[in-house]
Amino acid sequence: EAGVTQSPTHLIKTRGQQATLRCSPISGHTSVYWYQQALGLGLQFLLWYDEGEERNRGNFPPRFSGRQFPNYSSELNVNALELEDSALYLCASSLTGVGANQPQHFGDGTRLSIL
Amino acid sequence: SQKIEQNSEALNIQEGKTATLTCNYTNYSPAYLQWYRQDPGRGPVFLLLIRENEKEKRKERLKVTFDTTLKQSLFHITASQPADSATYLCALGGATNKLIFGTGTLLAVQP
Repeated sequence: EAGVTQSPTHLIKTRGQQATLRCSPISGHTSVYWYQQALGLGLQFLLWYDEGEERNRGNFPPRFSGRQFPNYSSELNVNALELEDSALYLCASSLTGVGANQPQHFGDGTRLSIL
Repeated sequence: SQKIEQNSEALNIQEGKTATLTCNYTNYSPAYLQWYRQDPGRGPVFLLLIRENEKEKRKERLKVTFDTTLKQSLFHITASQPADSATYLCALGGATNKLIFGTGTLLAVQP
């Protein structure tokens, strides 16, 4: 069974540009989550999508946005990039259900570097 | 605000011994708790999930306990091997499905 896949592996941008990160969940999973892992910091929750709807959002500015497609894949968009956006962006997926207590399975992330 | 604390120092143990990692939390009542392993440059790998009404969970050489009164989880790796060397993360979850992660404990198993 294929795991969560993310693309690209690495992304280099300059300040003010926009970045798009992509995620394909495990087959059968309908929930997709995005986390940011900055150097030396723990994983910070960004967004949760389930059945195409945004269900929850972390403490990040509106320039972080995303969407989930009918095939349950997801995209994270970061506008007006700032130096502190440099981080590993991780996508996870799980079986559906609010409070379903399902484990979240992670991909290997996209390393976003802002110059 | 919610706070999670894991062993702040790296944990060094000898091969064959039991490694015990701690996860303490405050200002939160999680419905469940998950443990992950993360290797450098890779995403976290799910290990175990324990729910608030469960005291203990086991999987092969791994054991997790969850004490909601003490607000603490313990993660044990028995008969540890050098291949177990990694960073271990605990994460708390609830109805919002948002996981709150600790900063992790770096485990080094010496041969």
